[in-house]
Amino acid sequence: AQSVTQLGSHVSVSEGALVLLRCNYSSSVPPYLFWYVQYPNQGLQLLLKYTTGATLVKGINGFEAEFKKSETSFHLTKPSAHMSDAAEYFCAVSAPNFGNEKLTFGTGTRLTIIP
Amino acid sequence: DAGVIQSPRHEVTEMGQEVTLRCKPISGHDYLFWYRQTMMRGLELLIYFNNNVPIDDSGMPEDRFSAKMPNASFSTLKIQPSEPRDSAVYFCASSLTSLAGNTGELFFGEGSRLTVL
Repeated sequence: AQSVTQLGSHVSVSEGALVLLRCNYSSSVPPYLFWYVQYPNQGLQLLLKYTTGATLVKGINGFEAEFKKSETSFHLTKPSAHMSDAAEYFCAVSAPNFGNEKLTFGTGTRLTIIP
Repeated sequence: DAGVIQSPRHEVTEMGQEVTLRCKPISGHDYLFWYRQTMMRGLELLIYFNNNVPIDDSGMPEDRFSAKMPNASFSTLKIQPSEPRDSAVYFCASSLTSLAGNTGELFFGEGSRLTVL
């Protein structure tokens, strides 16, 4: 079984500051890891994903995440926050090549940008 | 290309009434998922289908909930009878198993916000 833990249900950063959203996973097999973003009154949309290969993954809107197996982490970062980044962010894990196509989501982190 | 389409976007009903939520997945996608989102419990997977066949319904909260996928382009989630604690946003999502394997990426609809009075 897979699970993810997102540290911090609310994160506030100033506009232009570094964004760091933390995610740790648990998986008995090599995981696939994802970050999704949800804007108000919308569905979730994919920011980035790690399946295999390069451990530093770049996504949309300037976000990136690094898969660190030794730390079982997949933290999301962005060098400079923009007001439009205010949203809820979900980390998720699956193991599609091991018979588990469903995503297990974390509890989400609400990101607030301070002008 | 059209994304995942859900209807209705908003539904307000009274306790005891039947509620039917509808979903049209992205054409060609072979997996369909129903999720429920609440402030208290976050995102919960209710059920998912592969090629129209239910694979895992362990997340369906109780017998009042049922889901069907009669064909590759349509699915329903039904609650009968509805209760106030069913108030939530219900999301449908679809994904595709490509020749390279299933990447596990989900494409979500905009959700159906259900309020049961």
